[in-house]
Amino acid sequence: QKEVEQNSGPLSVPEGAIASLNCTYSDRGSQSFFWYRQYSGKSPELIMSIYSNGDKEDGRFTAQLNKASQYVSLLIRDSQPSDSATYLCAGGGGGGNKLTFGTGTQLKVEL
Amino acid sequence: GAVVSQHPSWVICKSGTSVKIECRSLDFQATTMFWYRQFPKQSLMLMATSNEGSKATYEQGVEKDKFLINHASLTLSTLTVTSAHPEDSSFYICSAGIEVLEPQHFGDGTRLSIL
Repeated sequence: QKEVEQNSGPLSVPEGAIASLNCTYSDRGSQSFFWYRQYSGKSPELIMSIYSNGDKEDGRFTAQLNKASQYVSLLIRDSQPSDSATYLCAGGGGGGNKLTFGTGTQLKVEL
Repeated sequence: GAVVSQHPSWVICKSGTSVKIECRSLDFQATTMFWYRQFPKQSLMLMATSNEGSKATYEQGVEKDKFLINHASLTLSTLTVTSAHPEDSSFYICSAGIEVLEPQHFGDGTRLSIL
C-alpha cells in the first residue's frame, strides 16, 4: 500500500524562525511531490511542487527532495503567524495521476 | 490558470434528501477529477476518481450507490449524495489536474450539513 507519512504535530515555532516540515513516502515509483497548505475550514492550496532531487526555492519556501531516502521536506523561512495552518505532503505519478496525501502537519507560528 | 470552481459552498438539508455538488475546471480541460471527503480535524480521504465519459473509480469502502459521480464533459463533474443522513455531514472537496505529473488544484469545497 502506498503511504505518505508526516508528523501530525503541532509544530510550534516563534515568529521569524525557520519551520521545517518533513514527509516520507513508501512508493519508489512516485515521480512528483507537492506541498499544500490548508487553513481550518478551507480547501488545500498548492504551495510547492518538486520533481527532482535537490532543493527548490520559491520566496520564503524551500522544498527538498531526496529520492534515495524517500524523503521530502518543506522549509519556511521567516515564519509569520499567517503561516499557521496544516501542511499536507502529497506524492503522485507512480501509478496514474492519483495523489497520495499524508495526514498533514499542523504548524503554529507564535508571536 | 488551473482554476477549479465548486458549487455550492454550503448546504444544509433534511435527512433523506439527495444533494448534488458540482465541480468545474474553468480554464482547462480535465479528463480526470477527484472527489475527497474530510471530517473535522482529519486528513483528506479520497472517495473516487471521476473519469470523463466513463464510470468513476471508487476507493475501497465508499458506496458507489450512495455517492453517484457523473463526469459528462471535460469541464464538469458532479457528486450526488443520495438519501443523505447526518453521518454524511462532512466537507467535500473536488480537485483536478492538467497533466499526469502536475499538481492537483482544489475547488473551495462544499460543507454539507444533514439535519
